[in-house]
Amino acid sequence: RKEVEQDPGPFNVPEGATVAFNCTYSNSASQSFFWYRQDCRKEPKLLMSVYSSGNEDGRFTAQLNRASQYISLLIRDSKLSDSATYLCVVIEGLYNFNKFYFGSGTKLNVKP
Amino acid sequence: GAVVSQHPSRVICKSGTSVKIECRSLDFQATTMFWYRQFPKQSLMLMATSNEGSKATYEQGVEKDKFLINHASLTLSTLTVTSAHPEDSSFYICSAPAGGEETQYFGPGTRLLVL
Repeated sequence: RKEVEQDPGPFNVPEGATVAFNCTYSNSASQSFFWYRQDCRKEPKLLMSVYSSGNEDGRFTAQLNRASQYISLLIRDSKLSDSATYLCVVIEGLYNFNKFYFGSGTKLNVKP
Repeated sequence: GAVVSQHPSRVICKSGTSVKIECRSLDFQATTMFWYRQFPKQSLMLMATSNEGSKATYEQGVEKDKFLINHASLTLSTLTVTSAHPEDSSFYICSAPAGGEETQYFGPGTRLLVL
């Protein structure tokens, strides 16, 4: 069983749409959660951390549901520049030498 | 923010040759670095944890004799793919945590093509 699972998509949405991705994780002891964005043939870049209380950064909202072991990412008012692969990342340890477990990524295509 | 570099960014080699990839932390020290591999349309998979001054720890299924890791200093880790074969063709990315931060800083990746 994979540590982190995501729907690979692609999600094809028009500009201005709202789109949501979910990600499930298998280890209930997981400590930290992130969403990364990866553009084609580039390294992943941190989009936002995911806190138990949920957090919002502009058009992006991330939420964590520990009981059901999933995290979500909501993108409002989609822009063409949002087209990328969104990776869910889970850390299982307590310290900064932790292993990152990546989901397979969800591809988003925002169309004009 | 912290910067991690990788060299080379792209390499093409013949089957059977060895390829060395360097990962450097440019403005911070990293006692630990991580090496990932990403096949097309797949997720990043952690290969190994590189530890300065001690042996690397490898994830299950990763051959330590094939993927040699040397963490030579607090700013440099190298991954050597020995006797590379076409199935080793992939995107190799390193990362390092910066200071007390929980996030990882990723290198730009090295695209390896073995013919």
